[in-house]
Amino acid sequence: DQQVKQNSPSLSVQEGRISILNCDYTNSMFDYFLWYKKYPAEGPTFLISISSIKDKNEDGRFTVFLNKSAKHLSLHIVPSQPGDSAVYFCAASGRNTGNQFYFGTGTSLTVIP
Amino acid sequence: DSGVTQTPKHLITATGQRVTLRCSPRSGDLSVYWYQQSLDQGLQFLIQYYNGEERAKGNILERFSAQQFPDLHSELNLSSLELGDSALYFCASSVAMGSGDGYTFGSGTRLTVV
Repeated sequence: DQQVKQNSPSLSVQEGRISILNCDYTNSMFDYFLWYKKYPAEGPTFLISISSIKDKNEDGRFTVFLNKSAKHLSLHIVPSQPGDSAVYFCAASGRNTGNQFYFGTGTSLTVIP
Repeated sequence: DSGVTQTPKHLITATGQRVTLRCSPRSGDLSVYWYQQSLDQGLQFLIQYYNGEERAKGNILERFSAQQFPDLHSELNLSSLELGDSALYFCASSVAMGSGDGYTFGSGTRLTVV
């Protein structure tokens, strides 16, 4: 049962433009969400997080938006840079999951110079 | 270097064999998590240990087992290996269970079963 879904396996964006990566979840008890970035041959690294008490969190070029009613979150990267090319995973957790993080299947972002 | 160390980085073995993957968590982290990433799949949670005790189980096969030792390092044992067990196995650690800072991942062990 995939509780966190990333329906776009891949995304290509021109350098300088906005990248929007989407994530949907099914468990209404999830209250904490994270995005991880993964380069080939490396483990995922934490990028940005958001708690359910917020609908937006910003860190430099990265902004995460949370729409609780739609059970949807998105990661915006502006402006996109070639070094952003990686696989992005969203993850979610909640009290009824024992605070266990559930991960999506990932979206491979390619930023074209 | 994330601080989470996984060995070996690569492992090639034959079907039916048994292997052990090792993970040393980041200094100070008490929780260790094991994840499996198969081709085109997301990170599938296998099992979690906290300070030596098993705390949560995910989609872990009965042929797989794990433990966390007093020095907090963890081992994932995979036995009676099948071709479908070929995957990247990640270990992650966190300070506490359900840490809001998320997990710190190691660079993974790539297991190839031939």
